[in-house]
Amino acid sequence: EPEVTQTPSHQVTQMGQEVILRCVPISNHLYFYWYRQILGQKVEFLVSFYNNEISEKSEIFDDQFSVERPDGSNFTLKIRSTKLEDSAMYFCASRARTGLNTEAFFGQGTRLTVV
Amino acid sequence: SQKIEQNSEALNIQEGKTATLTCNYTNYSPAYLQWYRQDPGRGPVFLLLIRENEKEKRKERLKVTFDTTLKQSLFHITASQPADSATYLCALDMWGTGNQFYFGTGTSLTVIP
Repeated sequence: EPEVTQTPSHQVTQMGQEVILRCVPISNHLYFYWYRQILGQKVEFLVSFYNNEISEKSEIFDDQFSVERPDGSNFTLKIRSTKLEDSAMYFCASRARTGLNTEAFFGQGTRLTVV
Repeated sequence: SQKIEQNSEALNIQEGKTATLTCNYTNYSPAYLQWYRQDPGRGPVFLLLIRENEKEKRKERLKVTFDTTLKQSLFHITASQPADSATYLCALDMWGTGNQFYFGTGTSLTVIP
């Protein structure tokens, strides 16, 4: 069964450092997403990506965040200068060609801890 | 402001009973509404999707209703089992180029043997 894979599963970083979270979406999917979930809180939308550009982004997704799909398979989330409040579980998701009418597949997440 | 609220943070029911979870939203006009299951430390897993012009959708022991007038969806699990214990999330699926979707606050369900 196809799956979305995320690496690393856990990342610890010093405040102010840059981190890159990596995702390999399901092959042939065209819509890609990043969500985050602070411990004990709801799953929050960060950004959607389609046709090699950002489609929508939330207020959380400020200038410290960026996304890339560098090689047609990986989909990365970069946080330039991490803050303590960036500590959360980050989930990548992808959707198939037909977009609206299909389910989204989520990865198992990367737990980011900023110290 | 926009809100997606799910009923009571935690719901405990006896095995075999029907669990009913609620999702209410304000200031959104979703095209679809999805329900996901999330287990601790894991990503959400898709369960069902219902369109705005559908009143009801079923899949095995699951049933979802969608009332765009009330701005509410109900999610039912019949003949509940301990293995159904998890957090259940509703998500509003929006029109737009990004086809992004927004999650509710989640309901933690515990099925007691």
